[in-house]
Amino acid sequence: DGGITQSPKYLFRKEGQNVTLSCEQNLNHDAMYWYRQDPGQGLRLIYYSQIVNDFQKGDIAEGYSVSREKKESFPLTVTSAQKNPTAFYLCASSISGGVAGYGYTFGSGTRLTVV
Amino acid sequence: ILNVEQSPQSLHVQEGDSTNFTCSFPSSNFYALHWYRWETAKSPEALFVMTLNGDEKKKGRISATLNTKEGYSYLYIKGSQPEDSATYLCAFFTHTGGFKTIFGAGTRLFVKA
Repeated sequence: DGGITQSPKYLFRKEGQNVTLSCEQNLNHDAMYWYRQDPGQGLRLIYYSQIVNDFQKGDIAEGYSVSREKKESFPLTVTSAQKNPTAFYLCASSISGGVAGYGYTFGSGTRLTVV
Repeated sequence: ILNVEQSPQSLHVQEGDSTNFTCSFPSSNFYALHWYRWETAKSPEALFVMTLNGDEKKKGRISATLNTKEGYSYLYIKGSQPEDSATYLCAFFTHTGGFKTIFGAGTRLFVKA
C-alpha cells in the first residue's frame, strides 16, 4: 500500500541535543511538507520541498533544518536552537503543484518531548 | 494576519444525532478549502476538496458546503456513529503573497453509543 511512514512515533530529547525525524513516502509525490501541531492551534508549516535538492522555509522554520536528497525521503532535524521543540510533528506529501486541488497525504506523526 | 476559525472546539453527541460544525476563513483571495478527518493515533485523511463558491460535496453520511463570498464552510454528519469520533480539520488555501495554506485548530467530535 502506498503511504507515508514517519518514525519514530515517540521521541525524547535532552535539552541541547539535535534529533532527526524520519519521513518516507512511496507515493511518487514530488512535494513534501513538515507541519508542527501545538495544543489548541492549527498545523503550522515548518519546511516544504517541491522537488529533490530544493526546499523552502515555511512560517516557523527557525531552529529546524531539512534535506531532500531523494524523492522518497524528507527528514527533519530539530536543532538545539529550537527554543520550544516539544510538539507533535506531521509529515505530508502531495502531487507537485496540486496540493490545493488534490489535498495532502499525511503520515501518522512523531511526538517529540524534551526532557 | 490570515486566520481560520473552527467552531465549536469540541462536541459531544449521542449515536444517531446529526451534527454540524463551521470553518470560517477570509472571504478574499480564496483558492480552495479542504476538510480532513483525523482519528486518534492515525493519519489525517482528506474528506473533501472544495474550490467553487456554492460547492456541495457528499461522502456517505458526511457532507460539506462552501460559501466563499461570506467566508465559511459547514460540515454535516447525519446520524452520527461512534466511528465518526475524530478531529475534523479545515484547511484554507489562498494565493495572497504566494500560495499559502492555513489550518484551523479543528473540531473534536465525540459520539457516544
